[in-house]
Amino acid sequence: GENVEQHPSTLSVQEGDSAVIKCTYSDSASNYFPWYKQELGKRPQLIIDIRSNVGEKKDQRIAVTLNKTAKHFSLHITETQPEDSAVYFCAAPGAGSYQLTFGKGTKLSVIP
Amino acid sequence: DTGVSQNPRHKITKRGQNVTFRCDPISEHNRLYWYRQTLGQGPEFLTYFQNEAQLEKSRLLSDRFSAERPKGSFSTLEIQRTEQGDSAMYLCASSIYRDRASYEQYFGPGTRLTVT
Repeated sequence: GENVEQHPSTLSVQEGDSAVIKCTYSDSASNYFPWYKQELGKRPQLIIDIRSNVGEKKDQRIAVTLNKTAKHFSLHITETQPEDSAVYFCAAPGAGSYQLTFGKGTKLSVIP
Repeated sequence: DTGVSQNPRHKITKRGQNVTFRCDPISEHNRLYWYRQTLGQGPEFLTYFQNEAQLEKSRLLSDRFSAERPKGSFSTLEIQRTEQGDSAMYLCASSIYRDRASYEQYFGPGTRLTVT
């Protein structure tokens, strides 16, 4: 099955700085890579995703990059704000499967 | 609210009791997924349905767990003879599957189960 590794487990940045979270996956057939944001006590919220036919996708201050050769993808948040503080999860599906395997999460703290 | 809904939001039960949770997906979504999340971990896949058919179950899913989606709309997850290790947040998600492609999964607020 798919194995997803996520780093770092915790990340503190000053407000206005950028944050980068990285994930690696094991199944080379995986073709869809979502990122979820989860605030304390809330549901995971899909914030951005990328499919294997593109290398980068942007949505305002958030971007995701994908390197299929190296089997890793990254979340980039620019101009961080205190409301970006949350746990972020990456995920990937296994080949022929639609269930998502999640990373262990990154707790992002944005310091005002 | 047109998002995924789950009931109850919290459930406290004694070990050995049976519990049942309900998930109502986004109305046009034909796929429904169940995940379990423990503290400090990402969601862990349990099972999923396309319409009323249960297509995949995790190898980790104990025989005490059963899920149904009888009319292809809402789904129930039952845990029989609960154990303390079953304490977790149970999350439901839904998505659209069309033209042999599956789209974004949207999560419900979850049901937090505490087994005492």
